[in-house]
Amino acid sequence: EAEVAQSPRYKITEKSQAVAFWCDPISGHATLYWYRQILGQGPELLVQFQDESVVDDSQLPKDRFSAERLKGVDSTLKIQPAELGDSAMYLCASSWGQGTNTEAFFGQGTRLTVV
Amino acid sequence: GENVEQHPSTLSVQEGDSAVIKCTYSDSASNYFPWYKQELGKRPQLIIDIRSNVGEKKDQRIAVTLNKTAKHFSLHITETQPEDSAVYFCAARGFKDTGRRALTFGSGTRLQVQP
Repeated sequence: EAEVAQSPRYKITEKSQAVAFWCDPISGHATLYWYRQILGQGPELLVQFQDESVVDDSQLPKDRFSAERLKGVDSTLKIQPAELGDSAMYLCASSWGQGTNTEAFFGQGTRLTVV
Repeated sequence: GENVEQHPSTLSVQEGDSAVIKCTYSDSASNYFPWYKQELGKRPQLIIDIRSNVGEKKDQRIAVTLNKTAKHFSLHITETQPEDSAVYFCAARGFKDTGRRALTFGSGTRLQVQP
């Protein structure tokens, strides 16, 4: 069964350092999402891609976060500099499309701890 | 934008009993309502979903009901088993402030099934 791949699974970084997460969606999925899940809460959308284009980054803290999906396949989410409040699970998800009511498949996530 | 509220935050039931989790949403244009199960340290996995043109859907021990007028939907698990213990998230696909559709998640319900 095809899965969304994410790496690393765990990341510990010091505050003010840069950190990057990688996501490879299910083959053929045009829509890719990055969510942040703080412990005890539901996932919150950070950025949504349709192919290589950002279609929603309204909740992305753009002063420190950036995301790209250069060839419309895999994606990278970067934080620079990391802050203590960034400690969370970062989940990537993908789906066939965005306009239709299609299922979003999640990756295992990257658990970030900022110390 | 969409706002989803989920209750209760924790639920403890005896094995074999039923469990009900309720969610309300704010955007009357929302048209897709998935439920995800997340076990500790694992990815959220879709367990059932319902579209706005349907009032009820059932899959073995799991059922979801949707009341569009009242803007609420519920997850029903019958004959609960210890392996049903997990955190359950509801979500609604409504319009974000960007005009794009995206999933907004509830805050989660931690279900514990006591053997």
